[in-house]
Parts: sequence; C-alpha cells; structure tokens
Amino acid sequence: DAGITQSPRHKVTETGTPVTLRCHQTENHRYMYWYRQDPGHGLRLIHYSYGVKDTDKGEVSDGYSVSRSKTEDFLLTLESATSSQTSVYFCAISESVEELFFGEGSRLTVL
Amino acid sequence: AQSVAQPEDQVNVAEGNPLTVKCTYSVSGNPYLFWYVQYPNRGLQFLLKYITGDNLVKGSYGFEAEFNKSQTSFHLKKPSALVSDSALYFCAVRTGDDYKLSFGAGTTVTVRA
Repeated sequence: DAGITQSPRHKVTETGTPVTLRCHQTENHRYMYWYRQDPGHGLRLIHYSYGVKDTDKGEVSDGYSVSRSKTEDFLLTLESATSSQTSVYFCAISESVEELFFGEGSRLTVL
Repeated sequence: AQSVAQPEDQVNVAEGNPLTVKCTYSVSGNPYLFWYVQYPNRGLQFLLKYITGDNLVKGSYGFEAEFNKSQTSFHLKKPSALVSDSALYFCAVRTGDDYKLSFGAGTTVTVRA
C-alpha cells in the first residue's frame, strides 16, 4: 500500500467549529488531492496541490481551504463546519498523470 | 470539462457468471481511463488503467476492461465472478494535460453464492 496516512480517521464536531484534516505521505509524490465521497455522487474533488505552496480549486471547493507547506503534508480546513460537510474525505497522491493512490479516509460528522 | 457516467447503480450476478460494469466518458482530447474498487470502510484501490496502446487492458484480480473510442466506453469485465468481488466500483477519467481525476457515481456489485 502507498504510504498515505489520514488523521483523524473519525471526527464528530458541531456546526460552526473549525476542523482540519491532515494527509501525510511518505512517497515523495508531487501531486496531492482531497476528495469527498457522498452517496450518489461518487468522489468529488475539493482541492488539489501540484507542489509545495501550489494549490488549486476543484469542483466543490466552497467552504474549504488547503495548505501545503511541505511535500509530505496536505491539510484540508473547514473554517466553519456545516452539516452539508458531513462526508467521508479521502486524500490521494500521484506522481504523474497516471493512477492516484488513496488513503483510508476520514469520516466527518457535523452536528 | 470531463465527466464519467456509470449507468447502473447496482449489478447483481451469481458466482461463476461473467461480470460487466459499464462506464462511458466525455473528455476533450485523449482520455486516460481508470477503474478503482472500494471495499466497505476502506479507501479506493486501483484495478487497471488505459493510457494508450492495446484497447484491452488487464488488471488486478482477473479484471479486464476494453477501451472503445467510438462508443466512448470503458467497461470493466471479469469472466467468472467471485463472492469476494462484491464491492463498490468506480470508473474515472482524466486527460494528459490535466492532473485532476473525475469519477463516476459508482456501481455496487453483489455476487451471490
């Protein structure tokens, strides 16, 4: 398995609180991604990074921000969590235009 | 814009029978196509890919897929399904100059003994 660790794996929080999810890789891959998975929608891209301090928005970026200060870490922040952000969040990495490798997911519940 | 359609939410087959999971795509340019499988409470696992070359690609666990450019399809197949193949399957597409991968909504496969 690719060396990808997501933390926390499970989190319950309340509406309006900030939340940060962390993705850590040991593969030294250039590209990192955050997706959310919801029933009926498959996986939707939130943000991605193509290098340290280089990030861009995906299709569902509203309400989310990201940071990448080191090659190995990609943080996803919900500044003020809402119930619509209850989801399973997956981090992925890749080195090229070929396949992505996924972490085990972080399940977030916003009450 | 690129997109993927998986027309079947669910596929049910008996063990030992052929399994097909359908996927069609829409991209501008040459497609890079992928299949992933997800078991309950796990991340996605890569199964196979088409980048260029032979239209029939073989992947992990006995799966294969055929790229059909004229029909813009990339259907996943397995000649003889196993109960352990029961899982959620995703088709995905990207182009050569875009590092973003777009996924279909997924197809739940159930193989009954």
